[in-house]
Amino acid sequence: GQQLNQSPQSMFIQEGEDVSMNCTSSSIFNTWLWYKQDPGEGPVLLIALYKAGELTSNGRLTAQFGITRKDSFLNISASIPSDVGIYFCAGHRETSGSRLTFGEGTQLTVNP
Amino acid sequence: SAVISQKPSRDICQRGTSLTIQCQVDSQVTMMFWYRQQPGQSLTLIATANQGSEATYESGFVIDKFPISRPNLTFSTLTVSNMSPEDSSIYLCSVGTGGAGTQYFGPGTRLLVL
Repeated sequence: GQQLNQSPQSMFIQEGEDVSMNCTSSSIFNTWLWYKQDPGEGPVLLIALYKAGELTSNGRLTAQFGITRKDSFLNISASIPSDVGIYFCAGHRETSGSRLTFGEGTQLTVNP
Repeated sequence: SAVISQKPSRDICQRGTSLTIQCQVDSQVTMMFWYRQQPGQSLTLIATANQGSEATYESGFVIDKFPISRPNLTFSTLTVSNMSPEDSSIYLCSVGTGGAGTQYFGPGTRLLVL
């Protein structure tokens, strides 16, 4: 199915740095979701966004639902080694039933 | 959020055999889904597991290869039939609950086909 354009594909940062990643689409979504997947695990839901312009935080994580409904970003502040993993965005359209469209993931590496 | 478990967590199988993966949820949920995640790739929806009726398969996936059962609102199985090395992937179940479109994932089943 259609993939979201997620960038960057990978990031290598130092502990303590802030991180930003985003997803864009040519069409609108009604819900944006951000997941983190650790090696050997299933994706874990970090933040869910349901309204255009919505800005939501979860600890050091902040995500926003773009005002055009075609994009979303995830910021991580003051990164720590356990932030290492793959971050996926996912979008949901009411016209697509229950299907989610996933980005291709951002691999984050944090150097201590 | 729901607590989701999968069995087995991993397996190594021989070409031509079949493996059935179980997904158990700690609460009743309407929507259950099965995904495949090939090595280094994103998630691809295989099918929606419908309680009391046949699963709804996505383009590229067929019932003969991936039969699914959904006997009740807390349990589903996915069978990977007549396996080949190309079936080596992580298989994930998820449930739809909470806000519109929100899904929670199980821990996954790591399958290696030799």
